[in-house]
Amino acid sequence: AQSVTQPDIHITVSEGASLELRCNYSYGATPYLFWYVQSPGQGLQLLLKYFSGDTLVQGIKGFEAEFKRSQSSFNLRKPSVHWSDAAEYFCAVGRGSNYKLTFGKGTLLTVNP
Amino acid sequence: SAVISQKPSRDICQRGTSLTIQCQVDSQVTMMFWYRQQPGQSLTLIATANQGSEATYESGFVIDKFPISRPNLTFSTLTVSNMSPEDSSIYLCSGGTGNYGYTFGSGTRLTVV
Repeated sequence: AQSVTQPDIHITVSEGASLELRCNYSYGATPYLFWYVQSPGQGLQLLLKYFSGDTLVQGIKGFEAEFKRSQSSFNLRKPSVHWSDAAEYFCAVGRGSNYKLTFGKGTLLTVNP
Repeated sequence: SAVISQKPSRDICQRGTSLTIQCQVDSQVTMMFWYRQQPGQSLTLIATANQGSEATYESGFVIDKFPISRPNLTFSTLTVSNMSPEDSSIYLCSGGTGNYGYTFGSGTRLTVV
């Protein structure tokens, strides 16, 4: 069965610092991979997704993620964090053509001024 | 991307009662899903809402507890029946048209007392 692991429950960074959020997946086939962001009291917003092709994916709000098949990872990065990036971030894997998503437990990002 | 309006945004309910949550999409979507997010946890898929037929439930979720309707391609409801405090969660719907282009509603925060 597929699974997603986000090893970091909570990360704190200073505004302007770089950010990397880790995600590891377990899936028997070619994965469809996603990063979502959830601000307090809000639904989930899709940041970026990987289906195939270039393993470095660009998303919204200046985020990018790199798919590394050998490491079963899909880490999210941002070169310079803004205070408005404080939120919870979820990595997810898609299960083939039935389009169902399995989510990781999330990483809460705190941004210090 | 589709925009999903979900209501109510929050509710406090007595145990033993039922609550119906509605999701309205601003355009026709082929796929709609319902998720539960328990406090401090990730999202767990409850079921796939199928237009004009019975929903497809994930393991651990049953129709008697979480009846779902989807009368057309823009609307779905989830009912949480015979509620107990363990049902206190955030419930989210999502929808989209293939290729994992999903949008999420803003969620319903349910507290059962």
